[in-house]
Amino acid sequence: QKEVEQDPGPLSVPEGAIVSLNCTYSNSAFQYFMWYRQYSRKGPELLMYTYSSGNKEDGRFTAQVDKSSKYISLFIRDSQPSDSATYLCAMSEGGGGADGLTFGKGTHLIIQP
Amino acid sequence: GAGVSQSPSNKVTEKGKDVELRCDPISGHTALYWYRQRLGQGLEFLIYFQGNSAPDKSGLPSDRFSAERTGESVSTLTIQRTQQEDSAVYLCASSSSGEPIPRYGYTFGSGTRLTVV
Repeated sequence: QKEVEQDPGPLSVPEGAIVSLNCTYSNSAFQYFMWYRQYSRKGPELLMYTYSSGNKEDGRFTAQVDKSSKYISLFIRDSQPSDSATYLCAMSEGGGGADGLTFGKGTHLIIQP
Repeated sequence: GAGVSQSPSNKVTEKGKDVELRCDPISGHTALYWYRQRLGQGLEFLIYFQGNSAPDKSGLPSDRFSAERTGESVSTLTIQRTQQEDSAVYLCASSSSGEPIPRYGYTFGSGTRLTVV
């Protein structure tokens, strides 16, 4: 079983819809949870991070972490065609850089105009 | 520079040849990371530098891989005797401290797309 599972998609939704992206993980020591967005032939860019369990909102984006279920989610409200990209979840045990981040495979999201 | 710069952006090499990939981090960023992204796979952590020191090299896939960093600037990832399974996008990221999250986050380059034929 891989440490982080993420449905690769593609996930296609109409413009304006609410998008739900999810990851599950097996390592209970993970405490830092992040979502990155990656456009084609570009490096990932950090969208959201959450420490431990809880919710965090930033504009149209909401990140949720449920450590008891080892499940994290990213919601995108009022989705736009410019949101079309690959969304990667990532997590880490500590805040230090030495252990790196563990990424999911990414979900390819398509917002239809 | 304004962002993390990686070169070359694309590299096609013959099996068995050596390749060198370069990363120029954001000026002043002390921490630097290399990741590998194979087609259809998540990013795989390879190595982390704090300054020019890499405390743990166990993430490098094999002894054909090596990495070094000059001071707090450019880093090179070298793959010797390349194999077809080395084909991937190699991504470099930097941050202003050893903490990639949350205050500072990583800034990734656009990567080097390596194809071994």
